[in-house]
Amino acid sequence: QVQFMVSGGGVVQPGRSLRLSCVTSGFSFSNSGMHWVRQTPGKGLEWVAAISYHGFNTYYLSSVEGRFSVSRDNSRNTLYLQMSSLRAEDTAVYYCAKVRGYTVDGLLDSWGQGTTVTVSS
Amino acid sequence: DIQMTQSPSSLSASVGDRVTITCQASQDISLYLSWYQQKPGKAPKLLIFDASNLETGVPNRFSGRGSGTTFTFTISSLQPDDIGTYYCQQYTIFPFTFGLGTKVDVK
Repeated sequence: QVQFMVSGGGVVQPGRSLRLSCVTSGFSFSNSGMHWVRQTPGKGLEWVAAISYHGFNTYYLSSVEGRFSVSRDNSRNTLYLQMSSLRAEDTAVYYCAKVRGYTVDGLLDSWGQGTTVTVSS
Repeated sequence: DIQMTQSPSSLSASVGDRVTITCQASQDISLYLSWYQQKPGKAPKLLIFDASNLETGVPNRFSGRGSGTTFTFTISSLQPDDIGTYYCQQYTIFPFTFGLGTKVDVK
């Protein structure tokens, strides 16, 4: 059974940093592309970042590029999202999701429960 | 970026009704479209992939069709458990993009 344990959310001041973690089980993490998607009441679901199964290729939403960094530790079956220079508009529920198959730009077939990030002074 | 225009934004129907949601892509996405169901406080759940393929374990009252830029999602006979918000998403090119969702309610 595919499972995700997402953690690291919280309340943070603008300009500060936060790291999200997504610990996975029940599938071959090291053979799966992984993504982060966020959700806000105002903008709905918004794709944030993706990383290839080996970690060599990463992709970002333009508004987070240079501030967010996605990484993975295949030995720990864990996906990360390092968020820095946080802005109020980054406030959202953040989900991790796995890709079906080896590709990074494929179907997101399973999603973890979200973690809430609130950026506020 | 590819824009996904989903309609209607909400609907209310009776149990047993046929419900249809439309998703329009701003450019050709071939068949790289998925449909998700989301219930309050939960993560999205995959229902349909590659425009018309039913995910394993999903009831066959759910279906999808279309290609290129125009897609539809149908619930053939609405059930009380189908309450939630439904989203389309394109996965042909980054950034992946989503429709704004259709909130489905049962009368």
